[in-house]
Amino acid sequence: GAVVSQHPSWVICKSGTSVKIECRSLDFQATTMFWYRQFPKQSLMLMATSNEGSKATYEQGVEKDKFLINHASLTLSTLTVTSAHPEDSSFYICSARSPPGYGYEQYFGPGTRLTVT
Amino acid sequence: AQSVTQLDSHVSVSEGTPVLLRCNYSSSYSPSLFWYVQHPNKGLQLLLKYTSAATLVKGINGFEAEFKKSETSFHLTKPSAHMSDAAEYFCVVSEGTSYDKVIFGPGTSLSVIP
Repeated sequence: GAVVSQHPSWVICKSGTSVKIECRSLDFQATTMFWYRQFPKQSLMLMATSNEGSKATYEQGVEKDKFLINHASLTLSTLTVTSAHPEDSSFYICSARSPPGYGYEQYFGPGTRLTVT
Repeated sequence: AQSVTQLDSHVSVSEGTPVLLRCNYSSSYSPSLFWYVQHPNKGLQLLLKYTSAATLVKGINGFEAEFKKSETSFHLTKPSAHMSDAAEYFCVVSEGTSYDKVIFGPGTSLSVIP
């Protein structure tokens, strides 16, 4: 099946710094990628939809200036957590939607665990 | 609007006994439905999906689910639980096949007792 990677798999940063998480679709081009956040023992919450070459669409309650999303190519989307604080500590998961001829479904990355100290 | 309810937050079964994880959905249009499994500190793995074809869907690792429109349900079953099945399971709904937005259920934690 299709493979989506995330880098890094885990990261620890100090409060006030920024962290960038990469999401790559390895064997297909994804015009649309999605970013989710998962708190411990909770479900995934959609943060934003990332469209290649255009601005991301954020879900209600998600600060777009804090969670910067860039989808500069058909295989890469990045999420930058700016001025991170301990409450931003979470498990961040991305997904990439394959094109119509390749099943047109979401494939999920392995996730990135962010810890802000 | 879409929504997903997983009726049990936690299910515990003995190894070798059947597994039933319940899921009910609400959708304005013809939904696509999925079950994903997440092992501790891992990403999501697709178990199976329903996209308006056969109502009984067979997935990986012996899991299957039946789409029942009249009951708005998509319960996940497995005849015989294995220790490696212990994980978190998410029922997911997407309206139509565009996958523009999917909604995750709250999850069911499955424990398997040896």
